[in-house]
Order: sequence, then C-alpha cells, then structure tokens
Amino acid sequence: KAGVTQTPRYLIKTRGQQVTLSCSPISGHRSVSWYQQTPGQGLQFLFEYFSETQRNKGNFPGRFSGRQFSNSRSEMNVSTLELGDSALYLCASSFQQGPNEKLFFGSGTQLSVL
Amino acid sequence: SQQGEEDPQALSIQEGENATMNCSYKTSINNLQWYRQNSGRGLVHLILIRSNEREKHSGRLRVTLDTSKKSSSLLITASRAADTASYFCATDNYGQNFVFGPGTRLSVLP
Repeated sequence: KAGVTQTPRYLIKTRGQQVTLSCSPISGHRSVSWYQQTPGQGLQFLFEYFSETQRNKGNFPGRFSGRQFSNSRSEMNVSTLELGDSALYLCASSFQQGPNEKLFFGSGTQLSVL
Repeated sequence: SQQGEEDPQALSIQEGENATMNCSYKTSINNLQWYRQNSGRGLVHLILIRSNEREKHSGRLRVTLDTSKKSSSLLITASRAADTASYFCATDNYGQNFVFGPGTRLSVLP
C-alpha cells in the first residue's frame, strides 16, 4: 500500500504570492489533517478534513485554507504569503476521524518564502 | 489547548545505552501517542497507550502512562545509531485534533 504522498517536496515563493500544496492519503483513509512545523513553534494543527468536510480548524488566519475531494485527496492553499509562513507543511491521513486513530504522515512540503 | 511538553529537549547517549524521554500534558486524554521524526521528514507512529493502560511494550520501546500525574515516558532500550531522531508525544484535544509537544532530539553516538 502506498504511503501518504505530498507534492511538491520543496517550494520557493516570494512574499505576496499564493501557494497550493497537495496531499494524497493512504488508499482507504478518509481523514486528512494538515500541520505546520517550524523550529520555533513546533507542530501546529491547521485543519482536518473528513469525507470532504472540514471537521476541525486550528488558530491560523483565513489566508490558510484547504479542501478535500471525493477521492480523499486534499489541498491546502496559503494566500498572500508572509515570511513567517516558511515552514515544513505536513499532511497526515487516518482511516477514520477520532482520538484513537494513528496518523500516517507524508514527508512534507518544505516552503520557503523570500 | 493541552499541548504536551517533552523533556529533555535534547539527549545524547552512546550506542547500547537506554534513552528515556518524558511527556507531560495538561488535561484529560483518551490516549497518548508517541511519534518519531527523522530530520526533515514526516512523523512515524511508534506506539499508542490508552488512558486506562499503565504500560505498553513494542520491541525495544516501553511506554508508561500516569494519568494522575498527567505524564508519560518513552524508554528506548539498547539504542542504535538509527534511533537518532526527534521524538514527539501527541494527545487528543478533547477528542478533536491531535496536539504535539515540542519534541526531544535524541542523538545516539556510535
């Protein structure tokens, strides 16, 4: 079974631009979560999608948005990029939604904002 | 939110030694999970311990949970160079999203 696939692996953007990151979960997994990881803040929860519906959202500005498609693939979008958005963005999938689920992570997208 | 806190922040040991990492959290949980992250990569699930369990083993890993002290420990026995990574505990945020601690960076020296 293929693991969680995130594309692209690396991305360089300039301030003010927007970016779209993609995540393909493990086949059969219906829940996809996104996390931002920075050296200073650690892993911060962005949002979670289950069956195309956003179920939970973290404390991030509205510039951060996401969606999930009927095949469970998910995208997250960041508009009007700021220098502070430079981070490793991690996607995780799980079979169901809930506290007893194990998360399976992709390798992440390393975003650099110049 | 009830972010877990691991300590120590960094740990260096020799191959063959045991490594112990601790995690503290703030409120009640359904379970606590430990993950490993190799540099710049995604996290890998190691072990899940439920709130009604006190100890769990998986290979060279031993996890304990003390809900009265709101703390957990991860013991890696007979460490290998390949165990060099960051280790995170994760707790469920009132059954919603998972909250990760800042992690412990473990270096196992050959």
